[in-house]
Amino acid sequence: GAVVSQHPSRVICKSGTSVKIECRSLDFQATTMFWYRQFPKQSLMLMATSNEGSKATYEQGVEKDKFLINHASLTLSTLTVTSAHPEDSSFYICSVLGVGEQFFGPGTRLTVL
Amino acid sequence: SQKIEQNSEALNIQEGKTATLTCNYTNYSPAYLQWYRQDPGRGPVFLLLIRENEKEKRKERLKVTFDTTLKQSLFHITASQPADSATYLCALDPPQRGFKTIFGAGTRLFVKA
Repeated sequence: GAVVSQHPSRVICKSGTSVKIECRSLDFQATTMFWYRQFPKQSLMLMATSNEGSKATYEQGVEKDKFLINHASLTLSTLTVTSAHPEDSSFYICSVLGVGEQFFGPGTRLTVL
Repeated sequence: SQKIEQNSEALNIQEGKTATLTCNYTNYSPAYLQWYRQDPGRGPVFLLLIRENEKEKRKERLKVTFDTTLKQSLFHITASQPADSATYLCALDPPQRGFKTIFGAGTRLFVKA
């Protein structure tokens, strides 16, 4: 299966700053990647679908201007949380769509002070 | 409303016993259902996929059943080991949601030595 990495694994930032999270598919060319958010003891919630070379598709209720997604190559998608606030603190996980299954990254823990 | 239900209470079992986890869903008609394992602070790892025309599927010590009439899947781990301790997530890709994966909140399993 595909190997997916995320960077950073943890990040702490001040309120109002922007944070970029990278998702890399190390051994698989991914035309489609997904970004999820997971709050403690809750299910993964799909935020957006990232499509290589085109605009991301956001789920209802997710602000596209706040969560900027760029999928510039078949191996890299980035999620930028702009003007982060404490309520954005969460576990952000990306995944790569393979054949019949998703391969998830290890996640990024974002803490906004 | 459409939802996936997994037992939110943790399941505690003794090593060597069979763990059985339940996933119920309402108002979906998924073509297949998936089970993932998630360790604390990590992304989910795919375990098994079962299609609507399959009643049962096995992989090593894992067994999954899928009853589309009851809208229920059971996930079994036989001869459980302490290393099986994790959160297990049920997931669907229903056509009603454009085949985007939706996850249950998961059931935490503790296997005691």
